[in-house]
Amino acid sequence: KAGVTQTPRYLIKTRGQQVTLSCSPISGHRSVSWYQQTPGQGLQFLFEYFSETQRNKGNFPGRFSGRQFSNSRSEMNVSTLELGDSALYLCASSLLPTATDTQYFGPGTRLTVL
Amino acid sequence: TQLLEQSPQFLSIQEGENLTVYCNSSSVFSSLQWYRQEPGEGPVLLVTVVTGGEVKKLKRLTFQFGDARKDSSLHITAAQPGDTGLYLCAGALYNQGGKLIFGQGTELSVKP
Repeated sequence: KAGVTQTPRYLIKTRGQQVTLSCSPISGHRSVSWYQQTPGQGLQFLFEYFSETQRNKGNFPGRFSGRQFSNSRSEMNVSTLELGDSALYLCASSLLPTATDTQYFGPGTRLTVL
Repeated sequence: TQLLEQSPQFLSIQEGENLTVYCNSSSVFSSLQWYRQEPGEGPVLLVTVVTGGEVKKLKRLTFQFGDARKDSSLHITAAQPGDTGLYLCAGALYNQGGKLIFGQGTELSVKP
């Protein structure tokens, strides 16, 4: 069974631009979560989607948004990029959005904002 | 405010030594997970503990969930160089779906 895939793996953007990251969950998984990982803040929860609905949102500005499609694939968008948005963005999928359902993480997208 | 305090942040030990990593919080978690992350990869789940006082063993790794469901520990016996990596604890709060609160991580280096 293929794991969680994220594209692109690496991305370089400049301040003020916007970016879209993609996540394909494990086949059959309907829940997708996004996390931002930085050396200073560690892993922080961005949002969680299930059946195309955002079920939970972390404490990030409105520049961060996401969506989930009917095939469970998910995208997240960051508009008006800032230097501080440089991070590893991780996507995780699970069968259901519950506390005990195993979340499988993808390899991440490394975003660098210049 | 870090909801889940993980310590130590860095640990460098010799092969064969034992070590313990701690995660503490003032919040009560419905479950707590431990992950290991290698450079350039996403975290990989090691274990999920869901019952207060629960102890789980995975070969040389022992995981414990506190009785009050506010803390957890990971103990590695006879560490090996292959154990090197970033260890992360992550807690799930009640009624928050699959949202995980992560500790800062413990960077473990085991030297041969």
